[in-house]
Parts: sequence; structure tokens; C-alpha cells
Amino acid sequence: DGGITQSPKYLFRKEGQNVTLSCEQNLNHDAMYWYRQDPGQGLRLIYYSQIVNDFQKGDIAEGYSVSREKKESFPLTVTSAQKNPTAFYLCASSMRGQVTGELFFGEGSRLTVL
Amino acid sequence: KNEVEQSPQNLTAQEGEFITINCSYSVGISALHWLQQHPGGGIVSLFMLSSGKKKHGRLIATINIQEKHSSLHITASHPRDSAVYICAVRRASGGSNYKLTFGKGTLLTVNP
Repeated sequence: DGGITQSPKYLFRKEGQNVTLSCEQNLNHDAMYWYRQDPGQGLRLIYYSQIVNDFQKGDIAEGYSVSREKKESFPLTVTSAQKNPTAFYLCASSMRGQVTGELFFGEGSRLTVL
Repeated sequence: KNEVEQSPQNLTAQEGEFITINCSYSVGISALHWLQQHPGGGIVSLFMLSSGKKKHGRLIATINIQEKHSSLHITASHPRDSAVYICAVRRASGGSNYKLTFGKGTLLTVNP
């Protein structure tokens, strides 16, 4: 079945460590996104990529990095520079160029900093 | 003031009731999305609207572009409808056509 797979679902990190969250899609979508969700707040965009080897910062990119070496993969690294990394992270994708631009989401990854 | 406001924040209903969740926005948009977030965290896209009304099963979404308002209705609600419902808008101008602004969500609980 086509879809988006995020891993791991739960992740614990010590302060000062970098962690990488995986996002893989087999929908043949060009565009991929990373969002952060905190309690009581709407989703906020971290990074997005509309094509392989290209990505743009979203609204809260500080302390995060991404790569887009393959169309199906868009990993997110939460670096030690991110001051408050404990959150729920969601990856999404959409078919670039379509008028509809419907979003498809993964199941999310919950990161806890100990 | 947030660009996207949802009401109510929390909603509790009895099984079978008709439910309405509202979304108001303050910017010009090219599309509005309604999303459903399950208790486990995964999000499913329910509707994408740019005008009028869409229906899928027991769910109906409407949008009034002039009034900058959208509603999501659930008929004959069921406990499995319990979830967070999120409204998101895509701005009509400037920047990427793919950036969305999200509301904070409405937590719906349907009791048997």
C-alpha cells in the first residue's frame, strides 16, 4: 500500500545529542514537509522540499537540518542547537504541481529529551 | 490574533448527535483543508475546499469565501469519530503555494 512511513515512533534523547527522524514515502510525491506539533498549538512548518536536492526553511527551522537526496526520503535531524526539542514531529507529502495539493501524513514521531 | 481560529476547542456529544465544528480565517486563501488526527497522532486528510460544499459519507464540509468561514459537519456521530479535527488554510498569494497555516484543532469526544 502507498503511504508515508515515519520512524521511530518514540525516541528518547539526552541533552546535547543529535537525533535523526526518518520519513519515507512510496507515493511518488515530489513535495515533502516536516511539521512540529506542541500541546495547544497548531502544526508549525520546520522544513519543506519541493524537489530532490532542494529544500527551504519553514517557520521554525532553527536547530533542525534536513536532506533530500532521494525523492522518497526526507530525514530530519534535530540538533543539539534546538533549545526545546521535546515535541511530536509529523512528516507529510503532496504531489507537486497538482491544483489540489492534498497532504498525506505519516503517523508521527514523538521525541522526548531527558 | 491567530490567522486561523477554530471553535469550539473541545466538544462532547452523545452518539447520534449532529456535530458542527467551525473555522474562521483572516487571510485570503486558495484552499482550506480539514484534517482528522487520531488519538495515536496520525493525521488523515478529510477534505480540501476552495468553494462550496463537499460530502463524504457522514461528513460534510462547507466554505464561504466572502465570510472567510468554513464548517465541518458530522451527521449521526459515532464514538469512532472521536478525534482532533484540524482546519488549515493555504494562502492565496506570496511564497510557496504549499505552505499551510493550521488552527489549534477541536477535540471531539462522542460518548456511546
